[in-house]
Amino acid sequence: SAVISQKPSRDICQRGTSLTIQCQVDSQVTMMFWYRQQPGQSLTLIATANQGSEATYESGFVIDKFPISRPNLTFSTLTVSNMSPEDSSIYLCSVSRGPDTQYFGPGTRLTVL
Amino acid sequence: DAKTTQPPSMDCAEGRAANLPCNHSTISGNEYVYWYRQIHSQGPQYIIHGLKNNETNEMASLIITEDRKSSTLILPHATLRDTAVYYCIVRGIQGAQKLVFGQGTRLTINP
Repeated sequence: SAVISQKPSRDICQRGTSLTIQCQVDSQVTMMFWYRQQPGQSLTLIATANQGSEATYESGFVIDKFPISRPNLTFSTLTVSNMSPEDSSIYLCSVSRGPDTQYFGPGTRLTVL
Repeated sequence: DAKTTQPPSMDCAEGRAANLPCNHSTISGNEYVYWYRQIHSQGPQYIIHGLKNNETNEMASLIITEDRKSSTLILPHATLRDTAVYYCIVRGIQGAQKLVFGQGTRLTINP
C-alpha cells in the first residue's frame, strides 16, 4: 500500500481567490493523479501528473484553472484558481504503485463562498 | 464514460454475505475488473481486482462470469463498517492507468 497525506484537509475560501492543495506520498511513485468529487457525485479525473513532464488534463479541465506541479517523485500540488462556488468539492490525489493498483489520499474538502 | 452498470443501492443485514453485482458487457480481453469502496468522507479504498479467474483476499471475493460480462463482489460477513459506496471499474493494465468511476452502489449494512 501507500501512505498519502493531503494538506489542507478542508478549507473555506472566498470566490476569486486561489487555493493550493498538497499531496505527499511516503515513497517514490511514477504516476500521481488528481480527482474531483462534487457534492453527491462520483469521482472525476482532473489530470495525471508525471514527474519531469507537463500534466495531462482530461476533457473539461484546463491548466489555467487547475495548474499542477510535480517537483519530485513523492510530492505534487494542485491549485484551484479564481474560485467560484461551483468549485466546491472534495479534491483527491492518488498514486499508482505498480501497474495494478491506485491508492487514494484522504481528500481536501473545499467550500467556496 | 464508465463501462460498468451497478444497482444504485443495496441493503444487507449485519453478519450476512453482501453480494454486489456489476455488468460490464463491453469489457475487452485485456481489461481487468477492479473494485473500490468509499466510506463516507474518506478517499476510495482498493478492494480487489481480477481478469478472468475468481479472486479472494482478506477483504472480499470476486466472482467473474465465464464470458466476463459480469461480476460479483462478495463480502462474506458484512459488518456495519462495510457501509460505503462500492465502485466497479473496468481498466486495462497497460497504457493510461486512470480510473473512470461510475455512480457505484451505495451499500447499507443494517444491524
